[in-house]
Amino acid sequence: QSVLTQPPSASGTPGQGVTISCSGRSSNVGNNYVYWYQQLPGTAPKLLIYRNNQRPSGVPDRFSGSYSGTSASLAISGLRSEDEADYYCAAWDGSLSGYVFGTGTKVTVL
Amino acid sequence: QVQLQQSGPGLVTPWQPLSLTCAISGDSVSSNSATWNWIRQSPSRGLEWLGRTYYRSKWYYEYEVSVKSRITINPDTSKNQFSLQLTSVTLEDTAVYYCARETYSSGANFGMDVWGQGTTVTVSS
Repeated sequence: QSVLTQPPSASGTPGQGVTISCSGRSSNVGNNYVYWYQQLPGTAPKLLIYRNNQRPSGVPDRFSGSYSGTSASLAISGLRSEDEADYYCAAWDGSLSGYVFGTGTKVTVL
Repeated sequence: QVQLQQSGPGLVTPWQPLSLTCAISGDSVSSNSATWNWIRQSPSRGLEWLGRTYYRSKWYYEYEVSVKSRITINPDTSKNQFSLQLTSVTLEDTAVYYCARETYSSGANFGMDVWGQGTTVTVSS
């Protein structure tokens, strides 16, 4: 079951920005890199951010990641209709010796 | 371009084993810069990492604690694929199962950058 806590939903109008939080603990977010994944309906998750704030090739710079202590955030600026998806954070957990995922946030573009 | 192609049954009888395979193209299961993962997703449990295998001069296996007694992930170098076996399945194992590659470069983890298409597995009699 999900160990990292995210808000269940977030929304904005086209062009606006939204920020999604990811709350963990010292064994995961506090001491290991955070990764963000985007999941469009009916598809597999797609890597959006790695190592807290790095974007893979092809990911628009509208997506940015940050972290502080045992929390991380994903910011989406200039919302577009195609950003409507579920977003998940993930991190290695040193106590569990495995990856843990967030509860997921559904982003709606109004 | 790296691709992962999953195969396996979509229906499993309770208490029987679940077996899925992930065929790799464009990379090698023996790569020293990748790990090969299984993740599942269900409405009740969300995204759940199950385990991984990787080669660093020898094979390593790491499993999620709650399934550790029931799971085996095996690489098959002859077919360039890896498999998931989960024994004694119950209704709680009903989920969409994904395989995924995690990439490393110079020791840095670049995340799970390639995913399989997903396999919906239903546990039912």
